[in-house]
Amino acid sequence: ETAVFQTPNYHVTQVGNEVSFNCKQTLGHDTMYWYKQDSKKLLKIMFSYNNKQLIVNETVPRRFSPQSSDKAHLNLRIKSVEPEDSAVYLCASSSGQGQYFGPGTRLTVL
Amino acid sequence: QQKVQQSPESLIVPEGGMASLNCTSSDRNVDYFWWYRQHSGKSPKMLMSIFSNGEKEEGRFTVHLNKASLHTSLHIRDSQPSDSALYLCAASHTGNYKYVFGAGTRLKVIA
Repeated sequence: ETAVFQTPNYHVTQVGNEVSFNCKQTLGHDTMYWYKQDSKKLLKIMFSYNNKQLIVNETVPRRFSPQSSDKAHLNLRIKSVEPEDSAVYLCASSSGQGQYFGPGTRLTVL
Repeated sequence: QQKVQQSPESLIVPEGGMASLNCTSSDRNVDYFWWYRQHSGKSPKMLMSIFSNGEKEEGRFTVHLNKASLHTSLHIRDSQPSDSALYLCAASHTGNYKYVFGAGTRLKVIA
């Protein structure tokens, strides 16, 4: 099956903890993205990688850091989570013809 | 900063009716528009895209684009309850990997 896969589906954690989210795409695309979707469903781009190179780096707090081992994988680490980080984190990939999204990781920070 | 404005914020149409959604970009460099549908609890799925002036039809869905005004619209005829979802518009331009999304239109189709 060709698609965009994300793990975990859900994560509940305490303020100050570190979390990591994984994303893998089997579509053969060169570009991958991380988006944050808040409770109002606003979709904001955070990072984008093209062939393991960071190409889009929006203004996000420094506690967020993306990691890409190859063009099929893009992970997101949050060093010390804050309550405002509670959201759905969506990974997407693209070949330039629109984007394909993963199912998302819902993060809840207590 | 580029903005993508969508209207209306929400829309209720009767089953079998026509739903019309609008989207405008403020960036003169934009040359691609994308429409996505996001059902509750799911992730966005690409519906249609348009790059050229004019109209494109796929089944019950028709997209229009006016490049001069950077305005696109999505029309859903014979709307079904399963069309109830958040519709997101995104804009991008050649050579730019960034897709800018609007805030969406929440469509509800009532039986």
